[in-house]
Amino acid sequence: DIQMTQSPSTLSVSVGDRVTITCRASQSIHGWLAWYQQMPGKAPKLLIHSASTLESGVPSRFAASGFGTDFTFTISSVQPDDFATYYCLQYSTWTFGQGTKVEVK
Amino acid sequence: EVQLVESGGGLAQPGGSLRLSCAASGFSFSSYWMHWVRQVPGMGLVSVARISPDGSATHYADSVTGRFTISRDNTKNTLFLQVNSLRAEDTGVYFCAKVYGSAWYDSWGQGTLVIVSS
Repeated sequence: DIQMTQSPSTLSVSVGDRVTITCRASQSIHGWLAWYQQMPGKAPKLLIHSASTLESGVPSRFAASGFGTDFTFTISSVQPDDFATYYCLQYSTWTFGQGTKVEVK
Repeated sequence: EVQLVESGGGLAQPGGSLRLSCAASGFSFSSYWMHWVRQVPGMGLVSVARISPDGSATHYADSVTGRFTISRDNTKNTLFLQVNSLRAEDTGVYFCAKVYGSAWYDSWGQGTLVIVSS
């Protein structure tokens, strides 16, 4: 099975800060990676697919890049609605990263 | 608008069974792969079962193989997960999720909570 290592597990930030999250796959997944945002008690929400394609309606402050085994997710300037947990998903065999909680500093 | 509505969760004893359902609407249900994804409280997400559009192909996570069965009724636009021989570690929220093509999850239900406890 392909394992996804996501880091960090927690980020303490202030509104306006830049956030960077990484996911590393245990083997190449080409560009088969998505990023999700999950609010407490809610289902995950798709933000990005195909490693770097922003889902329709998602603000442009969210961005991602990568190919093969190393991937990066960025929020350019964190807004109050962005405090949540973020997950990467590799959809070669469908496994998630462990999640990154973005919390208020 | 795509809608996925899960039901059937609840409290079950160790060794017990439940049947989870996911009612789908707003899309051509019979054309899409579907998954059940489990989230243990405060933990991450795991795909526990998936099924092909016509139901002929299924796959299970190692932790549930032999105990869980995924199925679908395309005439009723409904996805099922029969969960047997429940263990404490099966406790969690179960989401049904629609797959875009054979790729990412593009729609999710609100989840149904399963608690396994004596």
